[in-house]
This record gives sequence, C-alpha cells and structure tokens, in this order.
Amino acid sequence: DAEITQSPRHKITETGRQVTLACHQTWNHNNMFWYRQDLGHGLRLIHYSYGVHDTNKGEVSDGYSVSRSNTEDLPLTLESAASSQTSVYFCASKGQGNTGELFFGEGSRLTVL
Amino acid sequence: GEDVEQSLFLSVREGDSSVINCTYTDSSSTYLYWYKQEPGAGLQLLTYIFSNMDMKQDQRLTVLLNKKDKHLSLRIADTQTGDSAIYFCAETPGNTGKLIFGQGTTLQVKP
Repeated sequence: DAEITQSPRHKITETGRQVTLACHQTWNHNNMFWYRQDLGHGLRLIHYSYGVHDTNKGEVSDGYSVSRSNTEDLPLTLESAASSQTSVYFCASKGQGNTGELFFGEGSRLTVL
Repeated sequence: GEDVEQSLFLSVREGDSSVINCTYTDSSSTYLYWYKQEPGAGLQLLTYIFSNMDMKQDQRLTVLLNKKDKHLSLRIADTQTGDSAIYFCAETPGNTGKLIFGQGTTLQVKP
C-alpha cells in the first residue's frame, strides 16, 4: 500500500544544532507540505513544494529550509535549532485529485533543549 | 489574509449531537474541509464540502456552509466516545493547493 512516512518519530537535540526531519511518500504525489502543530495554534504551514526543484515558504518559514530533489522526498532542515522550534512536525502530500485531500504522516516530535 | 478560526474545546454527553463551528476568510476556496486527529496520530480527512453547496450529509456527519458569513459547521449526530478527537477545519486560499488549518477543536465525549 502507498504511504507517507516520517523519521525520526522522536528527537531531542540541543540549541544551535542542525536537525533534519525526513519525509517519504510512495504515492507519486507532486504536492508535499510541512506543518508544525502547537497547542493553541493548530497546524501552521512551514514550507511546501509543488514538484521536483520547487519550494515555497509558508506562514512560519523562518529558521527552516526544504529541498525537493525527487518526487518522493521532502526533508525539512532546521539550520540552527531554537527552543521555539520544539513542536510536533507533520509532513503531508496531495495528488491532483478533485477533492485535494491531504495525506498526513504520523508526525515527528522534536524537543530542543 | 488567510485565517481560520475555531473554538478550542467542546464537551458533550454520549448520544447527544455535537456542533463544531469554524470561520474562514478566503471566499475563493473551492473546497472546505474537516479533518480529524486522534491522539498520537496524523490528521485524516473526515469530510469536505464543495463551495457551491450549502449542506452535505454523510451518515452521522452534516456539514453546513454559509458563504455569505464565511461560516462552516460540522454536526455529529449520536456522538460516541470514539468520536473524541481534535477536529480541524481548513480552507484552500486562492486555490493554490495549500491548506490553511484552524486551531482545532478538542471534542470530549462523556459516557
């Protein structure tokens, strides 16, 4: 079955370190998204991509970067982790279907000490 | 601007109806969505409504859309303990393909 997987599921790191969260989908979807989830804020869009070599900033992109070298993967990098980036991160993908349904990964919980 | 607002918490008794409300800002959204998140999991699509519809019914779920007021609601009939979760509404501003989510409403169902 096609799926979307995130890794690691849990990570603890220190302030200032570089962290990369992986996202891999097997649906061959062109559209991929990274969100962070925080209490009281719901899901906020960090970065998104409409296809290979395409990346776009979302509403909370500062301190984050993404790259899209193939269809399946959209890794999210925190260049220099800050305590404010402690959160649960969700990757999602979307095909070209009419309803535009997003398919979400299970989430990656990141703690920055 | 892009903004979706929901109340944060709703508590109901098992068997009662639940109504979760949402307001959005972008009138160009072709679809509006309700997603459900169970503890420790990602979001899953619960239902959606096309923007030219006023109402959509799907088993125990009824979605009402008031485009004039940019108001969306989700009614769950005969609410069960298994319905306890966080419910998110979402819009697709400017039909860009990206979804903007509200803060999520935590539904607590008491036996």
